[in-house]
Order: sequence, then C-alpha cells, then structure tokens
Amino acid sequence: KAGVTQTPRYLIKTRGQQVTLSCSPISGHRSVSWYQQTPGQGLQFLFEYFSETQRNKGNFPGRFSGRQFSNSRSEMNVSTLELGDSALYLCASQRGTTGNEQFFGPGTRLTVL
Amino acid sequence: EDQVTQSPEALRLQEGESSSLNCSYTVSGLRGLFWYRQDPGKGPEFLFTLYSAGEEKEKERLKATLTKKESFLHITAPKPEDSATYLCAVQANNQGGKLIFGQGTELSVKP
Repeated sequence: KAGVTQTPRYLIKTRGQQVTLSCSPISGHRSVSWYQQTPGQGLQFLFEYFSETQRNKGNFPGRFSGRQFSNSRSEMNVSTLELGDSALYLCASQRGTTGNEQFFGPGTRLTVL
Repeated sequence: EDQVTQSPEALRLQEGESSSLNCSYTVSGLRGLFWYRQDPGKGPEFLFTLYSAGEEKEKERLKATLTKKESFLHITAPKPEDSATYLCAVQANNQGGKLIFGQGTELSVKP
C-alpha cells in the first residue's frame, strides 16, 4: 500500500515569489492536513481539508492557502514568500476526520533566499 | 489554551539502558494522544494512539501509557537504531484532525 507522497521534495525560491506544494494521500483517505516544521517552532498546524472543504485552519497569515481536489489530492500555496517561510512542509493523511491516525509524507524542504 | 510539553529535550542512553520520555498536556477535551518517531530529514512515523487514561500500548521495545495529564513512552533495552526524535501530539474534541505537537525529545543511544 503506497504511503503519502509529496512533491517536490526540495525547493529553492527567492523572497516575493510564490510556491505550490502537492500532496497525494494514502488511497482511501479523505482527510489531508498540512504542517510547517521549523527548528524554533516545531510542528505547527496549517490547515485541514476533508472532502474538498477546509475544516480547520491554524494561526498563519493569509499568504498560506490550500485546496483539495475530488480525488483527495491536496495542494498548498504560499504567496509573497518571506525568509521565515523556510521550513519543512509536511502533509498528513487520515482516513476520517477525528480520532484516527495521521500518516505523514516525507515533506517538502522549502528554502527562501 | 491547548498545549503539549515534552521532557527531556534530549536524552543520551547507553545501549540496553532503559528509560522513559514524558509528555504533559493540557487540552479542552482529549480526543486522542499520538506518539511519532522522526528521523532526520524524514516525516514523522506513526507509533501509537492512546484514547483514555489507563490505556497502554506496546510495540517491540516501546510502551506508551496515558494518564489524565500526561503520557510516558517507555523504552526498554534500547538499541542504537532507536535513536531518533520522539514527538507527542494531542487531538482535541471539536478541532477536527488538528494535531498539537510538543517540541520532541531527541534520543541518542550509544553502543
């Protein structure tokens, strides 16, 4: 059974640019959550999608957005990149919406120069 | 405010030296508590879910326990391959799938 896949694995951008990251969940999983991981803040919740609807959102500025498609694949977008956006972005797949295990992908390492 | 605190931040053990990692939490209605293992440069790997006080789960050399305020991850006779960062997270009622993570415990096991 294939795990969660994320593309690209590495990305280098400059300040002011925008970026789109992609996540394909485990087959049959309908919930996708996104997290940002940095050495200083640890893992922080960005948002969660279920059946193409955003169900929850973390405390991040509006520059961070996402969406989910009918096949449960998800994308997140960061506009007007800042140096502080450099981080490992992780996607997690879950069968339902609560009380189930979340399985993480390998992450996308974003570096903003 | 929902919060998770892990201790110690770092732990160095000799191979075979058993120990425990602590995860203290405050949450407005616990839906579940999760333990993950993360190796450098990789995504977290799921280990356990605990739902209610008194619950215990085991996997190889690892055993997770839960009380109303904290969880412990006991490591029995660790091996060098157990070296990793161990993350604890809670999921609260009425918060969907949102996980609130602690800062993690970096475990190093020397042969």
